[in-house]
Amino acid sequence: QKEVEQDPGPLSVPEGAIVSLNCTYSNSAFQYFMWYRQYSRKGPELLMYTYSSGNKEDGRFTAQVDKSSKYISLFIRDSQPSDSATYLCAMNTGFQKLVFGTGTRLLVSP
Amino acid sequence: DVKVTQSSRYLVKRTGEKVFLECVQDMDHENMFWYRQDPGLGLRLIYFSYDVKMKEKGDIPEGYSVSREKKERFSLILESASTNQTSMYLCASSSDRDRPLFGTLHFGNGTRLTVT
Repeated sequence: QKEVEQDPGPLSVPEGAIVSLNCTYSNSAFQYFMWYRQYSRKGPELLMYTYSSGNKEDGRFTAQVDKSSKYISLFIRDSQPSDSATYLCAMNTGFQKLVFGTGTRLLVSP
Repeated sequence: DVKVTQSSRYLVKRTGEKVFLECVQDMDHENMFWYRQDPGLGLRLIYFSYDVKMKEKGDIPEGYSVSREKKERFSLILESASTNQTSMYLCASSSDRDRPLFGTLHFGNGTRLTVT
């Protein structure tokens, strides 16, 4: 079993839809949870991070962590075609080594 | 703005060749990483370095070695390239100033290596 599981998609939605991206994990020692966005032919870039359980909002993006269920989510409101990318969850125990999900490819059509 | 530069965008090498992938960062970051990215497997850590001349194995170090002689440069070496090392290779760096969160990795745009 992988430490971090993520549905690879693709997830196709119309412009303006609310998008929900999710990851599950097995290591209860994970404390920091991140979402990276990767456009085609580019390296991933950090989108958001959260520490422990709870919600964090940044514009149209909300990151949610439920440590009791070992489940994290990223919500995108009013999705735009420019949001089309691969979204990778990542997590660590507070040290340099991150563990990544496989990424979910999101396609937002105009 | 942090810039992580990988020397080649595409590389084609033959089986058995020694291959060098170079990465340079311009933000004086202490930590540097090499990942490979494969469909269905995601990003997997090969090696990382937290200081000059220091290195630690990641999850899949077999068949690879690294070199960090200067703080800004981190090289990945494939001693004898094999077809199963065909992949996208991503270099990243991070700062100890992000402690305790080390999640702010700054990635290069990758080198797509094909071994034939």
